[in-house]
Amino acid sequence: EAQVTQNPRYLITVTGKKLTVTCSQNMNHEYMSWYRQDPGLGLRQIYYSMNVEVTDKGDVPEGYKVSRKEKRNFPLILESPSPNQTSLYFCASSFRRNIQPQHFGDGTRLSIL
Amino acid sequence: GQQLNQSPQSMFIQEGEDVSMNCTSSSIFNTWLWYKQDPGEGPVLLIALYKAGELTSNGRLTAQFGITRKDSFLNISASIPSDVGIYFCAGQVYGGATNKLIFGTGTLLAVQP
Repeated sequence: EAQVTQNPRYLITVTGKKLTVTCSQNMNHEYMSWYRQDPGLGLRQIYYSMNVEVTDKGDVPEGYKVSRKEKRNFPLILESPSPNQTSLYFCASSFRRNIQPQHFGDGTRLSIL
Repeated sequence: GQQLNQSPQSMFIQEGEDVSMNCTSSSIFNTWLWYKQDPGEGPVLLIALYKAGELTSNGRLTAQFGITRKDSFLNISASIPSDVGIYFCAGQVYGGATNKLIFGTGTLLAVQP
């Protein structure tokens, strides 16, 4: 079954404690991206990756890092989380950047206290 | 960050009614996408539009890519209770090393049986 899998689904943590949200897709997709969803703001793109070792900033990259060492994985790293990063996060993937639609994971709800 | 103007913010309708929602932007997009999000899940792609003027249907859903490439609408005919959810438009801009997806703020649809 084609899937985008995020872990964890829920996390409550404290300010400053580094965390990583993993994202894995089994469709051999080239393009992967991360979004955060906040009430009244819709989804905003954090980072995206066009292929292995190719990443770029989206609209709201501050406070986040990503890596793309393998095609299937695209982890989101919060080196020093702060309360304003409390949000619902989605990972998505596409076969090609300008043709195929995006497949989303089920989301990760982060609460930073 | 850049956002699309999506309207209406919410709609409360009776089962069987038709629904229309739209998105506008000051920017040109290469692709327009429409998603539906159910509670606790990631967005699911409904319709993708790739050319200005394109009109595409998916069952009871019809969407159009505006001629100016700055707007799109989604119509749902004969609504049913399972149409309840949040609908998002998204515009995609790509070229060279760029590939960004910009989301609207969403339209909450409630359908009364």
